[in-house]
Amino acid sequence: GESVGLHLPTLSVQEGDNSIINCAYSNSASDYFIWYKQESGKGPQFIIDIRSNMDKRQGQRVTVLLNKTVKHLSLQIAATQPGDSAVYFCAEKKGMDSSYKLIFGSGTRLLVRP
Amino acid sequence: KAGVTQTPRYLIKTRGQQVTLSCSPISGHRSVSWYQQTPGQGLQFLFEYFSETQRNKGNFPGRFSGRQFSNSRSEMNVSTLELGDSALYLCASSNAGFDSPLHFGNGTRLTVT
Repeated sequence: GESVGLHLPTLSVQEGDNSIINCAYSNSASDYFIWYKQESGKGPQFIIDIRSNMDKRQGQRVTVLLNKTVKHLSLQIAATQPGDSAVYFCAEKKGMDSSYKLIFGSGTRLLVRP
Repeated sequence: KAGVTQTPRYLIKTRGQQVTLSCSPISGHRSVSWYQQTPGQGLQFLFEYFSETQRNKGNFPGRFSGRQFSNSRSEMNVSTLELGDSALYLCASSNAGFDSPLHFGNGTRLTVT
């Protein structure tokens, strides 16, 4: 079926280090991508998004990189903190205009070691 | 501004029963989407509503249905529950702009026994 990303790997990082979470998407025609963070017992929380006409977008401590050539998306978290521990999902917009559905990756679990 | 609110937070039902889940979107958001989250399948799109009309539907059986009211609040219904329907059901709203991210509620955890 449709998929963005294939596995649920775990990334373990030391507090204060930078984290890089990767995601592969399948639809080269997709034009909008979003990263979400999901903590235990909560719904996915919006982190940052990027349109396909951009290669990079920065937020507070986070950067998203988009490589359309290889259909790859990454989320970089600077100075990772214990509160960053969660499952991170990339999502790809599929559809026209505002009527769309998101295709989610299976997620990456980020563990921050104190 | 209050976030997306879903009720109830937890539900336990028996096979064959039906269930109705409720979602109140962020104020001003007119698009409401529903997703199912399970450990095996991850996050799967159910349907999307805008101005009381279903605009998009995922690959789920007809037992899954929904509706949206004039105040943008939405409900989803699952009839003839099966064990495999046990999941976290997430509602998300957006302001329906082209680059408008979905904002999710904390979900309703449905357990079917």
